[in-house]
Amino acid sequence: QVQLVESGGGLVKPGGSLRLSCVASGFIFSDYYMTWIRQAPGKGLDWISYISSDGTYANYADSVKGRFTISRDDSKKSLYLQMSSLGAEDTAVYYCARKVTGYDYFDFWGQGILVTVSS
Amino acid sequence: DIQLTQSPSSLSASVGDRVTITCRASQSISSFLNWYHQKPGKAPNLLIYGVSSLQSGVPSRFSGSGSGTDFTLTINSLQREDIGSYYCQQSYSVPFTFGPGTRVDIK
Repeated sequence: QVQLVESGGGLVKPGGSLRLSCVASGFIFSDYYMTWIRQAPGKGLDWISYISSDGTYANYADSVKGRFTISRDDSKKSLYLQMSSLGAEDTAVYYCARKVTGYDYFDFWGQGILVTVSS
Repeated sequence: DIQLTQSPSSLSASVGDRVTITCRASQSISSFLNWYHQKPGKAPNLLIYGVSSLQSGVPSRFSGSGSGTDFTLTINSLQREDIGSYYCQQSYSVPFTFGPGTRVDIK
């Protein structure tokens, strides 16, 4: 069965950096676009980035453009999110999700990992 | 960016009731509208994609309809496990955006 497991979250100081990882299993990872979506405490869902199946193309929300970088390593079936210049507004649960092209929906999600930005 | 609004923001209904949630887009998004359900403390779960296609494994009491700017999610015969928040999401253009959510609980 499809599984996505995030790791790398935690407490980081404002202005700091963090790298999130997401390990996939149960499907051919290299066939799929992947995405990161976050949810601030008590708030709604916020798409932040996706990467193409071959890793050559990525897109970002304006709120993270220039600060976050999405990447993937198909040999490790892993998705990454390098986050820098973090601020309090980045405090959220971060989900990785598989994106299905065509209607561009997110059919499988990880359990989420909490990132807290605080001094 | 395309904005999505949802109504109502919350509702309380009895088991067995028919529940309808509306999602409206700030511009036409054709059929690029998806719905998710999030139980408290859990990751979202895809219910419907492309307005009306039911995701594999999702109960048939869920259905979607609409086109252009106005869309509806219907739950026929609400069950206790349907509590939580429901989000619409547009995939017509980047940035993909979600509606603010509709919280559903049992009366």
